[in-house]
Formats: sequence, C-alpha cells, structure tokens
Amino acid sequence: DAKTTQPTSMDCAEGRAANLPCNHSTISGNEYVYWYRQIHSQGPQYIIHGLKNNETNEMASLIITEARKSSTLILPHATLRDTAVYYCIVRPATSGTYKYIFGTGTRLKVLA
Amino acid sequence: GAVVSQHPSRVICKSGTSVKIECRSLDFQATTMFWYRQFPKQSLMLMATSNEGSKATYEQGVEKDKFLINHASLTLSTLTVTSAHPEDSSFYICSARLGALPDTQYFGPGTRLTVL
Repeated sequence: DAKTTQPTSMDCAEGRAANLPCNHSTISGNEYVYWYRQIHSQGPQYIIHGLKNNETNEMASLIITEARKSSTLILPHATLRDTAVYYCIVRPATSGTYKYIFGTGTRLKVLA
Repeated sequence: GAVVSQHPSRVICKSGTSVKIECRSLDFQATTMFWYRQFPKQSLMLMATSNEGSKATYEQGVEKDKFLINHASLTLSTLTVTSAHPEDSSFYICSARLGALPDTQYFGPGTRLTVL
C-alpha cells in the first residue's frame, strides 16, 4: 500500500499558485519525499524531492512540515500545461530499497 | 540530463504473439531499471525490478514466464510479453535509477500495447 494520501482532484486558475498537499504521517527519519507528475499518456516526470528542509527548483517548491508528516507541492504560477496527475511518494534513501509505490495521486486541472 | 527512452511508443499485435519493449537510459548508466504497468484511469503498478547482469525480481502476482525481462547492459533493459492476450493490453512504463543518492528514478515515455 502507498504510504501517502492525497486529495483525488483539485482545480486551479491559470496564473495562480497551485498548492498540492500530501499526507505521509508514517514517514520515518530516513525517508525522502518525492513528487512526480504524469501528463496524459506519458511517463511520470520528476519534479522535486526533499528530506527535511524546504526545497525549490525551476519547476516547483516543496514545503515539508517540521514534523515531516505532511508536505505541500507549490506550482507558483500554474499554466494549462501543468494539468496532470501529481504523485507524492516516500521512499528510503538508503541502499537496498529502491521501489516506488504509487498511490492514486491528485488530478490537477488548471482552468483558463 | 537523466533521459530515458522507450521503443516502440505504441504497438498493436495479434493474440498469441510476443512483443519486445526496449528501455534505454540515454545519458547515464543504470544498474537498476523498473517496469510498471498502468491500466486506464489507474495508478502505476510495479511489475519487476531489473538489475544489470542478474535475474529480475518480480512483484507478487506477476508471471515471470510471461513477462521476460533482460538487463544485459547498464543502459538497456527489455521486457518481452510472451503469448500476448487482450488482457495484456496496457501502458507499460520503464524507469531507470540514477545511482547517486538518494536514488531518483527517471521514467520513460511509455509504450502502449494493444493486443487484438
């Protein structure tokens, strides 16, 4: 079973920030939080990952709560091309356990 | 960087035939690759983990004799669907592990298999 829970779907107006939450209340100390997205009929695209600190790259920002039990992916200025299913995954950073377990993800629809 | 390709992007075959799908890491070496299957409106389901030079590890419920995996080099893994049937029609996606910690996986674009 996936170790994360996400809302099934969300809408966001074009140009506004999209905030996608993820609950990972059973996360352990050595597990990273990863975010991917899957645009229709394509393979998942890596977005960002983090351990404890907030992270930012050219695609998005990742905010991880202090207790690490939840996180939020922020797309600062959503465009129509950001419409996709967004997956939050937790997995250990240590060697020997590489599997990703995908949950149902959040279907984000960006509205014009 | 970290580009993964798949070939073919889509394939249609007759029931009973075998189909081979290739997964390549284009700009990095991948000791580990993964194969997933995705049915319409569902999430990705891991089928098997492919390690270069050794036998693949299959997830529970995945028939290893039906889904043959070969990882002969650090940049190529293949999935062969043997004696395909209509119920094998699906979207097959591979990923390759970029070995530097924390082991991020990069995904291919997927292969749409339709078995008639």
